[in-house]
Formats: sequence, structure tokens, C-alpha cells
Amino acid sequence: QKEVEQDPGPLSVPEGAIVSLNCTYSNSAFQYFMWYRQYSRKGPELLMYTYSSGNKEDGRFTAQVDKSSKYISLFIRDSQPSDSATYLCAMSAPPANDMRFGAGTRLTVKP
Amino acid sequence: NAGVTQTPKFQVLKTGQSMTLQCAQDMNHNSMYWYRQDPGMGLRLIYYSASEGTTDKGEVPNGYNVSRLNKREFSLRLESAAPSQTSVYFCASRASVWYQETQYFGPGTRLLVL
Repeated sequence: QKEVEQDPGPLSVPEGAIVSLNCTYSNSAFQYFMWYRQYSRKGPELLMYTYSSGNKEDGRFTAQVDKSSKYISLFIRDSQPSDSATYLCAMSAPPANDMRFGAGTRLTVKP
Repeated sequence: NAGVTQTPKFQVLKTGQSMTLQCAQDMNHNSMYWYRQDPGMGLRLIYYSASEGTTDKGEVPNGYNVSRLNKREFSLRLESAAPSQTSVYFCASRASVWYQETQYFGPGTRLLVL
């Protein structure tokens, strides 16, 4: 069993839809949780960072961490075609050097 | 300010050949990382360097060596390339303060081993 599980999709939604992306994990020592966005043939870029449990909001993006269920989510409101990319969850235990990534979910937002 | 740069962008090797992938960052970060990305596998950590002069193994270190040349540069070497090392390689550097974690990735090197 992988330490981090992420549904690879692909996921296709119409413009304006709410998108929900999820990951589960098995290592209870993980404290740092991140979401990255990766456009085709580019390096990943950090979208959201959460330390320990709770919610974090940044514009149209909301990240949630439920450590009791070992489950993290990323919500995208009012999705745009420019949001079409692969979304990767990542997490690590202190001191945050050995980061583990999910396989990535490919999202397409259709105009 | 170029961020994280990687060379080369693309390379084809024959089995058994060696090569070094170069990475440099101009953000004065202490930590640097090498990952490989394969379809359906996500990113997997090969080696990292928490500070100048130190290196540590990640999840998949076999077949690779690294050198932290100075604070800016972190190279990855394949001594005897194998087809299983065909992948996209990403270098990253990390800035960390107690309330925010930021890891910056380079554009990647696509490696094909025949």
C-alpha cells in the first residue's frame, strides 16, 4: 500500500463548477500538507500549504486537513479553463525534508 | 532572479553511459532536492541536501549519487544508466519559516535511456 493515495482521474468539469480533489495517507507522523499544481511539461508549483489540521482558504482555493481520518482535500470554486492541470498532494513529517507525493489528479475544465 | 534552473532539458543515453544533471538556485535556500516523476507514481524523492555539505537518501536512491557543490548547486549523477531510469527529473529548493513552507521546482530534465 502506498503511503499517499490519490485518484489519478482524469476529472472533467464544466467552467464554473466546484472541484473537489482528495488524498488519503497512512503515516500518522505527517504534519505538513501541501497541494501543488503542475501544467503540462512544467515543474510543480505550490498552491496551498497547511500545517497540521484545519482549513485554509486562498481566493478560490480551500485546503482541508482531517488528521483523524488521514484525509486531505482541495476545493476549487468557480473553476476556470486555466485551472486545467494535474494537481498533486504532498505531505511530510518534521523536519519536512522527506516529502511524499500522491500520483496526481488530472483536471480539465471545459469552457 | 531565475529561481531553480536545470540542465540539460532533454537527454538520450545508452544503457551503461553516465551523465550528470545540474541544478542551481539563486534564492539562497539551504535545502535542495532531486525527484523523479513517472506516470502513475507521482514524484519520488531520490536524494536531498538539508544544508551545504550534507546529503541524505530519499525514497529511491539506488543507482544515483549527488553532490552539493556549494549553497547554490546540487548535482545528480547516474554512473551507469539503466532503462528503468528513464524519467523526468526535477530539482527543487526549499525556503522554510515556521508559518510557511515553500518549495520551488525547476522545469525538469527529460531523460530517455535506451
